[in-house]
Parts: sequence; structure tokens; C-alpha cells
Amino acid sequence: DAKTTQPPSMDCAEGRAANLPCNHSTISGNEYVYWYRQIHSQGPQYIIHGLKNNETNEMASLIITEDRKSSTLILPHATLRDTAVYYCIVRGAGNQFYFGTGTSLTVIP
Amino acid sequence: DTAVSQTPKYLVTQMGNDKSIKCEQNLGHDTMYWYKQDSKKFLKIMFSYNNKELIINETVPNRFSPKSPDKAHLNLHINSLELGDSAVYFCASSHGQFNQPQHFGDGTRLSIL
Repeated sequence: DAKTTQPPSMDCAEGRAANLPCNHSTISGNEYVYWYRQIHSQGPQYIIHGLKNNETNEMASLIITEDRKSSTLILPHATLRDTAVYYCIVRGAGNQFYFGTGTSLTVIP
Repeated sequence: DTAVSQTPKYLVTQMGNDKSIKCEQNLGHDTMYWYKQDSKKFLKIMFSYNNKELIINETVPNRFSPKSPDKAHLNLHINSLELGDSAVYFCASSHGQFNQPQHFGDGTRLSIL
């Protein structure tokens, strides 16, 4: 079922940019890339999503490669509160979400 | 102020019992969902309702029955609870069905003794 591949864990120094990669080599033309994060004991929190253009909002930036086979989530200035598990999800019109194992990001003081 | 709220947060009960989990959203969304997060942390969709109509019903035992009294509420009733039902159940909502961000509640941790 998994359509995405992410590293299991990453560390980032506080105040630096956190770059979280995701491979989705089998993505089809109408599928969006979504990013969520989950902090322990809370529900998944929506971060950003995109189809083919790069996107930016108040939380993060999403860079999608031209062939759309991979993407990177960028948290420009990581804080300790950004420590969480980050999920990259490919989602089509079927309105389904498959959360894989994600990347556990630890922001280090 | 809470956008998607679930009750209870924790539910500990014995095998064979019947229990319900409630979910309410105040975001004005028309689509609501139930997910199950298993021990491996995978979130799998169970049900989805749009404007109180069932639109997604994954392969879930018929002991699980969702009920949507209005667009802001989607409750989950579980009959004859089994050990394998132990998990975290998440409710979510979105505006519209397709390619819209979903907003999640904080989950209900169900433990079957």
C-alpha cells in the first residue's frame, strides 16, 4: 500500500532549517503530495500540500521535483516544538489517506 | 475553541462490551472520517461521511457502526468488543471530499481487557 518512502529519523539543530525528504516514484498525475505531523498523544496536524508547484505557507515550504517523484518539506527555523513524526502522503481523488511510518524529527537545543 | 473534539480520550473496557466514541467539529466542514491507528502507527481509514451520507466504508467488521446525526457530528459505535479492537481511533473532518486538508481530533485510546 505504501506509496512513499521517508527516512525513519532525522535530527536538526534548533533555529536551523529542517529538510525532510520523501520519495514517491509511483505518483500519478492527479495525486497530490500532503504533509502531516503528529506530536505524541495528539492527532495528525496538517502542514501543507501541493500538486506540482512549490508551495509555501506560514508553517513550511514544499518543494516538489519537476518529475514529481520526490519532494522535500522545509521547516525554515526549527524549534523544539517541531519535534514530531512527519508523514508524507500521496493522495488521489479517492479521498483515502495512508499514513506510513513517517520520519521522526528531533530538534536539538 | 477546539476544532475537532473526540470523547472520551481514554476508554478501557472488557471484551464483549458495547461502546461509543463521539466526535464533533466546529469548522463548518461537510465531510467527516474515522481512522484507526494500529500498533505500527499506520492510520487506516474506516469510514467517511459527506453531508451525513456514507461515502467510504472500508473493510471493517460490521460490529463497527458509524452514525452521523448532522454534518458536525460523526459517532462510532462498536458492538461486542474484541481484543484486536485495541487501538487509537481518530476522527477527522474536511471541507469537501477531494484533495482538501483533513483536520484531526486528538484520538481516543481504546484498550480492551
